[in-house]
Amino acid sequence: AQSVSQHNHHVILSEAASLELGCNYSYGGTVNLFWYVQYPGQHLQLLLKYFSGDPLVKGIKGFEAEFIKSKFSFNLRKPSVQWSDTAEYFCNTGTASKLTFGTGTRLQVTL
Amino acid sequence: KAGVTQTPRYLIKTRGQQVTLSCSPISGHRSVSWYQQTPGQGLQFLFEYFSETQRNKGNFPGRFSGRQFSNSRSEMNVSTLELGDSALYLCASSQIQGAVNIQYFGAGTRLSVL
Repeated sequence: AQSVSQHNHHVILSEAASLELGCNYSYGGTVNLFWYVQYPGQHLQLLLKYFSGDPLVKGIKGFEAEFIKSKFSFNLRKPSVQWSDTAEYFCNTGTASKLTFGTGTRLQVTL
Repeated sequence: KAGVTQTPRYLIKTRGQQVTLSCSPISGHRSVSWYQQTPGQGLQFLFEYFSETQRNKGNFPGRFSGRQFSNSRSEMNVSTLELGDSALYLCASSQIQGAVNIQYFGAGTRLSVL
């Protein structure tokens, strides 16, 4: 079965620092990968997705992720974080009927 | 377009009771999935319904059940509540593009079991 693992559980960064959150997936045939974000008190929102094609995917709010097949990775990046990026970030993979979430990474951005 | 709507937003129940949560998907979405979110376990998949049929199921006991109606609205039921069932229950409706499931989430129902 497909699965993902997120190794960073809690990340603290200062504003303007660069961000990279790790996500590794297990091979399970066709790879569909997503990053979701959950801001405090808000619902889960889709940040970006990868199905096929260009391995560098751009999402909302300046986020991007790179699919590296040889490393089974789909890391999330942002060149310069803002205080408003404080949230929990989930990497996940899925099929047509089921999404499997990673354990999440809590990002705290300090002023 | 209205988003995914979950009701109620908050629930307090006692052990042994049962509870029913409701989810109205985005108009036109035929797939509805349910997840349990807890600080310790993260997001865990409960089940998914598509066209009134359960298409996939996670590893939860039979006390957790669901159904979907012809208008795609879905309900989730938990019987004989236990303290460990306290969690945020999330519903997501899906826009299926081929084999890809793009899910849009509701705000959740926070269930507290006392």
